[in-house]
Amino acid sequence: EVQLVESGGGLVQPGGSLRLSCAASGFTFSDHYMDWVRQAPGKGLEWIGRIRKRVNSYTTEYAASVKGRFTISRDDSTNSLYLQMNSLKTEDTAVYYCARSGSYERCDYWGQGTLVTVSS
Amino acid sequence: DIQMTQSPSTLSASVGDRVTITCRASQSFSSRLAWYQQKPGKAPKVLIYKASSLESGVPSRFSGSGSGTEFTLTISSLQPDDVATYYCQQYDSYPITFGGGTKVEIK
Repeated sequence: EVQLVESGGGLVQPGGSLRLSCAASGFTFSDHYMDWVRQAPGKGLEWIGRIRKRVNSYTTEYAASVKGRFTISRDDSTNSLYLQMNSLKTEDTAVYYCARSGSYERCDYWGQGTLVTVSS
Repeated sequence: DIQMTQSPSTLSASVGDRVTITCRASQSFSSRLAWYQQKPGKAPKVLIYKASSLESGVPSRFSGSGSGTEFTLTISSLQPDDVATYYCQQYDSYPITFGGGTKVEIK
C-alpha cells in the first residue's frame, strides 16, 4: 500500500525556518518525481514545487511565490522527501501536502498533510 | 504562467442530476490536465488525468473532456458521496497551476 506521511509542521515566527519531511512507503520511491502542494486555510490548492528523479539529476521546479526561500530535496536511500522553508511569511500558513507524481505526472497519491502556522 | 479559471465556483444540484464543471486556461496546451476531488479535512484525490483518462477505482459516472483552453469534468448522476470541492490542474508547463475550485453541494 502506498503511504506518504508528512511531519515537521508547527508554529514558527515570521522570518523563521522550518523543515518538513515526507516518509514514503509501499512503492519504489526513487522511480518517481515528488511534489509539494499547499492549501491555506479555507483556500484552494497551490503547487509549490517538484523534484525529479536521479536520472534527471534531481532537478527541481518551484512556484514563484516560494522560489529562493524554499528548497526541495530527497533521500532515496531512506525514501524521504524534504521541504526546507526559510524566510517564512504569514502568507505561508497552510497545510502542506507531499504527493507522488505518477505516470502522466498526475499526483496520484497524497499524504495527509501537515499544518504550518507562521505567526508572531 | 498558465492561469486556470474554474466555473462555477459553487453549484447546488439534486441527486441524480448531471453536473458539469468547466476549466478554462489562459493559453492553449496539450491534454496534460487532471481533475481532483477534495472532501473537507482530507487530501485531494485524483479522478481524471490526461484530460479524459479515468483514474483506477474512480466511479464511471465521472468523466473528463476537452482540449486547448477548455476542459470539463462531468458527473453523469450526482450522488451524495460526491459532495466535495473539485479542482483542475494543468501540468503541461511550469509552474504547475490549479484552478480555484468548484464546491459541489446537494440541493
